[in-house]
Amino acid sequence: QKEVEQDPGPLSVPEGAIVSLNCTYSNSAFQYFMWYRQYSRKGPELLMYTYSSGNKEDGRFTAQVDKSSKYISLFIRDSQPSDSATYLCAKDGGTSYGKLTFGQGTILTVHP
Amino acid sequence: NAGVTQTPKFQVLKTGQSMTLQCAQDMNHNSMYWYRQDPGMGLRLIYYSASEGTTDKGEVPNGYNVSRLNKREFSLRLESAAPSQTSVYFCASSSGTDTDTQYFGPGTRLTVL
Repeated sequence: QKEVEQDPGPLSVPEGAIVSLNCTYSNSAFQYFMWYRQYSRKGPELLMYTYSSGNKEDGRFTAQVDKSSKYISLFIRDSQPSDSATYLCAKDGGTSYGKLTFGQGTILTVHP
Repeated sequence: NAGVTQTPKFQVLKTGQSMTLQCAQDMNHNSMYWYRQDPGMGLRLIYYSASEGTTDKGEVPNGYNVSRLNKREFSLRLESAAPSQTSVYFCASSSGTDTDTQYFGPGTRLTVL
C-alpha cells in the first residue's frame, strides 16, 4: 500500500460546481499536508498547506484533515475553467526536514 | 529571479546511452530534489540533497547518480539509459525549514528507445 493514496480521476465538473478532492494516508507520522496544483506540461506549484491539526481556508480553496479516518480533502468552491489541472496531495515524513511523499494526483477538468 | 531552471527540456536517448540532466536554483535554497513523474504513479523521489555537500537516496534511486555541484546546482546522471527510465523529470528546491515549500522546475521529458 502506498503511503499516500489519491484517486487519479479524471474528474469533470461544470463551471461553478463545488469540487472535492481526496487523499488517504497510512503513516500517521507527519506534521503537515500540502496540496500542489500542476497545469499541463508544467511543474507543480504549491496551492496551500495545512498542519495536521485542522482546516485551512484560502479564498475559494479549503484544505481539511480528518485524522480519525486518515483522510485529507481539498474543496474548491465556485470552480472555474482555470482550475483545470492535476492536483497532488503530499505529506511530510514527520521530521523537520521537508522530504515529501506525493499521492498519484487527480486530473480535474472544469468545463464552461 | 528565474526560480528553478532545468536543461534540457526534451531528450531522446537510445538504450545504453548516458546523459546528465542539469538543474539550477537562484533562491539561495539549501535543499534540492530530483523526482520522476509517470502516469498513475505521481511524483516519486529519486535523490535529494539536504544541503551542499550531502546527497541521499529517495524512493527510486536505482539507475541514477547525482552531484550537488554547489549550492545552486544539482545534476542527475543516467549512466546507461533504459526504456523504464522514460519519464518526466522534475527538479525542486526548498529552504530546508519547517513547512518546507518545494519549488519545482518546468521538467525534462525524456524518452529512451
